[in-house]
Amino acid sequence: LAKTTQPISMDSYEGQEVNITCSHNNIATNDYITWYQQFPSQGPRFIIQGYKTKVTNEVASLFIPADRKSSTLSLPRVSLSDTAVYYCLVGDGSSNTGKLIFGQGTTLQVKP
Amino acid sequence: KAGVTQTPRYLIKTRGQQVTLSCSPISGHRSVSWYQQTPGQGLQFLFEYFSETQRNKGNFPGRFSGRQFSNSRSEMNVSTLELGDSALYLCASSSQAQTNSPLHFGNGTRLTVT
Repeated sequence: LAKTTQPISMDSYEGQEVNITCSHNNIATNDYITWYQQFPSQGPRFIIQGYKTKVTNEVASLFIPADRKSSTLSLPRVSLSDTAVYYCLVGDGSSNTGKLIFGQGTTLQVKP
Repeated sequence: KAGVTQTPRYLIKTRGQQVTLSCSPISGHRSVSWYQQTPGQGLQFLFEYFSETQRNKGNFPGRFSGRQFSNSRSEMNVSTLELGDSALYLCASSSQAQTNSPLHFGNGTRLTVT
């Protein structure tokens, strides 16, 4: 499965749009890209998943370019409650869930 | 739909003791996986069960074991506890045992070994 690379940390201000980019150069044809959000002392929470182009739900958008070697999680108009760690994962739909690797994630700090 | 429930929420044990943690997945989910989270190592995969069978296992010593029951509830056991086992233990369930099936996590059990 593809290894992912994300920025360790990002700062933003309330009301701004935040874009977190994840690099996955070795992504395979069958790989999906999934993003999770984690608050302190809680389990990660599923945010969004995509395969190509653009996916949008009620909380975020996921942009995936044609070569799929990176993806960008976009959080519109962040608030203080969006301060959390964000993880990008790549999985190919195999049953080997043990190969899912949670990296260090991106710690997003939203300031007032 | 109720989320993933983990019990207990907090646990304090002494070195050498053993501990059992419990996880109730989302109704209908047959895959349950366990993770250990520490500040230094991040989230590390322990093992995964699907329909009562262990399908995948991470790189943890044999002191860490688990099982899954017919109702998909799962338990993990750690024997001969060491100080380094202090961590947040997270359980996640998914509808299918596939890497692109979204994982639904519980809020974990915070284990402290003294």
